[in-house]
Amino acid sequence: AQKITQTQPGMFVQEKEAVTLDCTYDTSDQSYGLFWYKQPSSGEMIFLIYQGSYDEQNATEGRYSLNFQKARKSANLVISASQLGDSAMYFCAMREGNFFSSGSARQLTFGSGTQLTVLP
Amino acid sequence: EAQVTQNPRYLITVTGKKLTVTCSQNMNHEYMSWYRQDPGLGLRQIYYSMNVEVTDKGDVPEGYKVSRKEKRNFPLILESPSPNQTSLYFCASSFGAGNTEAFFGQGTRLTVV
Repeated sequence: AQKITQTQPGMFVQEKEAVTLDCTYDTSDQSYGLFWYKQPSSGEMIFLIYQGSYDEQNATEGRYSLNFQKARKSANLVISASQLGDSAMYFCAMREGNFFSSGSARQLTFGSGTQLTVLP
Repeated sequence: EAQVTQNPRYLITVTGKKLTVTCSQNMNHEYMSWYRQDPGLGLRQIYYSMNVEVTDKGDVPEGYKVSRKEKRNFPLILESPSPNQTSLYFCASSFGAGNTEAFFGQGTRLTVV
């Protein structure tokens, strides 16, 4: 079964508008972390934001926020005031377990990604 | 500057010719891993290492080898590359704790003909 599901292969948004990229996850662990990465056309992976499973508040980093709904097992990325430079592939990822977990539990499991295009 | 360095960035090779992709990090991270990225599949882990001389298979290890003789280096070895190993490869390192981000190398685009 897919551990991370991103159902939107492609998204378009008008410049300066907000956009939500969907991510649902599947785990039976109580302790886990959720990550979002951005991959521009140049190919590098850029860390955006992190949400821990025990965090009460939704994570925010500048124009990025993570809409964390634990009961629904969703961790959607919200980008406010989109900019042309936000056009990229976005990946949701999960790391199950914690600091004391075995090595295999520390790996990041990625979704298939969402290609976001910001229109001028 | 904290970074993960992969080399080469681009590589075209022929089937069966052994190759090594190097990865080095300067953050004293214990945990390092290799991923491959294929369209529609996201990133999938090939191998990981929790520390020097400690390595283990990820989700797609077939056809790959790794070694971790020093903490900073984690090379990926393809003993006999095949066309289905044509992919974009990433090395990543992290402190290993649950909430620490993984730092990624720039990626290596490998084509096997």
